[in-house]
Amino acid sequence: QVQLVQSGAEVKEPGASVKVSCKASGYTFTTYYMHWVRQAPGQGLEWMGLINPSGGGTTYAQKFQGRVVMTKDTSTSTVYMVLYSLRSEDTAVYYCARVHSSGRAIDAFEIWGQGTMVTVSS
Amino acid sequence: DIQMTQSPSSLSASVGDRVTITCRASQSIRTFLNWYQQEPGKAPNLLISSASTLQSGVPSRFSGSGSGTDFTLTISSLQPEDFTTFYCQQSYGSPPTFGQGTRVEIK
Repeated sequence: QVQLVQSGAEVKEPGASVKVSCKASGYTFTTYYMHWVRQAPGQGLEWMGLINPSGGGTTYAQKFQGRVVMTKDTSTSTVYMVLYSLRSEDTAVYYCARVHSSGRAIDAFEIWGQGTMVTVSS
Repeated sequence: DIQMTQSPSSLSASVGDRVTITCRASQSIRTFLNWYQQEPGKAPNLLISSASTLQSGVPSRFSGSGSGTDFTLTISSLQPEDFTTFYCQQSYGSPPTFGQGTRVEIK
């Protein structure tokens, strides 16, 4: 079945970076754009950016420009999100989400990872 | 960026009630509007895409309507498992943006 499996919870100190992985299975990895969405405790959903798993092109939310990098490894059907210069406000659950329609960059998010809790604390 | 405004932010209702949640976009998004349900501690689940297309496996008590700037999610008869949070999201343009969420609570 189609699924996205993310890496485990992380605890980081302020100023550090975190790398979250998202392994896809059950479909052709290169044909569906992947996005990252985060959710701070008790808050709503915030879009961070997207990656084209075919060519590797990325688009980042303006808020995270210069602080986030999204990459992909086609050989393992995995996408990665690295967030640098962490601060306490980055404490959140980070989700990868696959779009609904192949080839569409901006679309409904049909498949979600289970989420990765990132805690930033000294 | 396109702003998405949901109303109400929360509501109290009883099992069997008919519930309507509204989502308004800051500009026309045609029918590029999606609805999600999120249970506590879980990832969001896509209920409806393109304003009114029910996803496979989603109960028929859920329905969506609207176009342009005004959209609604209707639950025809609330069930115990529906007391969760619902979000709208526009996929008309980049960046994709979400409403702030509507929490449905037991009266």
